[in-house]
This record gives sequence, structure tokens and C-alpha cells, in this order.
Amino acid sequence: QVQLQESGPGLLKPSQTLSLTCNVSGSSMTTDSYYWSWIRQPAGKGLEWIGRIFSSGNTNYNPSLKSRVTMSIDASKSHFSLKVTSVTAADTAVYFCARNNYYFFDSWGPGSLVTVSS
Amino acid sequence: EIVLTQSPDTLSLSPGEGATLSCRANQGIRNYLAWYQQKPGQAPRLLIYDASIRATGIPARFSGSGSGTDFTLTISSLESEDFAVYYCQQRSNFIAFGQGTRLE
Repeated sequence: QVQLQESGPGLLKPSQTLSLTCNVSGSSMTTDSYYWSWIRQPAGKGLEWIGRIFSSGNTNYNPSLKSRVTMSIDASKSHFSLKVTSVTAADTAVYFCARNNYYFFDSWGPGSLVTVSS
Repeated sequence: EIVLTQSPDTLSLSPGEGATLSCRANQGIRNYLAWYQQKPGQAPRLLIYDASIRATGIPARFSGSGSGTDFTLTISSLESEDFAVYYCQQRSNFIAFGQGTRLE
């Protein structure tokens, strides 16, 4: 059974860079053909897909965030990462990592709250 | 850009009743639609993919239908644990979700 777990700082100041890592167990990132995604959810609001990465390093990003987002992967260590530059209060959200099975998300991490505040 | 619009925003029902949730796309998306359930403080859970295929472990009271632009999630007889927020999701040039329907 695949399990995902997000980790990273929970509090940032405006203009800083958000960095999160998702550790994956129960699924081989080197041999299984899945994309791995980041999705975020501001408090009381809906879900926003941020982007995804394949084991090869191939990425796709949401056009609305593309200029500030970078994703990376270390499949041999079973983790992938997210960086969002120049954060503002609008980036305050719960950030989920998820396994992208074709186009849908069949496994999710529990989520990591990131707050941007001066 | 493909936009998903869910209706209603809120659906008020009682246990034992049936629920019908709608998701409409502004362009045809064939059957590339998934449904998720999210409870407070939890990650979403996949219910349905390819518009009508139940994910592993999902009870038979959940069913999905539709193709093209109009999709429906039906819960045949509500149980207490079904009261949650439901999202639809599509893939096109990029992945996007509907705004959600709160089932209360």
C-alpha cells in the first residue's frame, strides 16, 4: 500500500521560498510509471493542482503558478520536492502530495499546512 | 481552458436519502473525470475515475455516470459517513478541479 508524507517548514515570511518534500513508501518511484503531484488547498476553499513530475524528471505545471514553481525528484531515495518562490499570503494553504495514476490521484499524503505571514 | 462547475454548492439531505451531485464541463472531456470525497482535516479520497469506475474499496452505493460535458455522482442511500465535500476533477491541457459540493 503506497503511503505519502509531506514535510517542510510551516511558517514563512513574504518573499521567501517555500520548500516541501514528499516521502513515498510502498511504490517504487524508479520502476512504477506514475506521475507525482502537488496540490494545495487554502483554508475553507477548493483544491488547486500545482504541478507534477515523472521519475525521468519531466514536469508539467499549472500555468497560473508556472513562473514561481520548480519540482524535482530523487526516485532512488523515494522522494520528490516542491519549491515556490516569492511567496505571499495568497500561498497560505495545506499542501498535499499525491500519486498521479494516469490523470487521477489514487493516493494522497495527509497534507502540510504552510502559513505565510510577516 | 476547461472549467468544471459543480452543482449545487450545498446539498442538505438526511441519512437514508439518495444524493445526486452534478459536474459540468464547458468543453467535452470524453469520460476523463474523477470524483473525490473530502472530510474535514483529511486529504481527498478517490471515489470514481473514468466517470463511472469505482476506485478500490469504494462502496457500491457510490456510482458515477456521464460523458462529454455532463457528469453525475449518485449516492444511493446516504450513510452518516457520507456527509462531506465532493470534488470532480478533469485532465485536459492541465489538471483542474471543480469548486466542490458540500453534502450536509
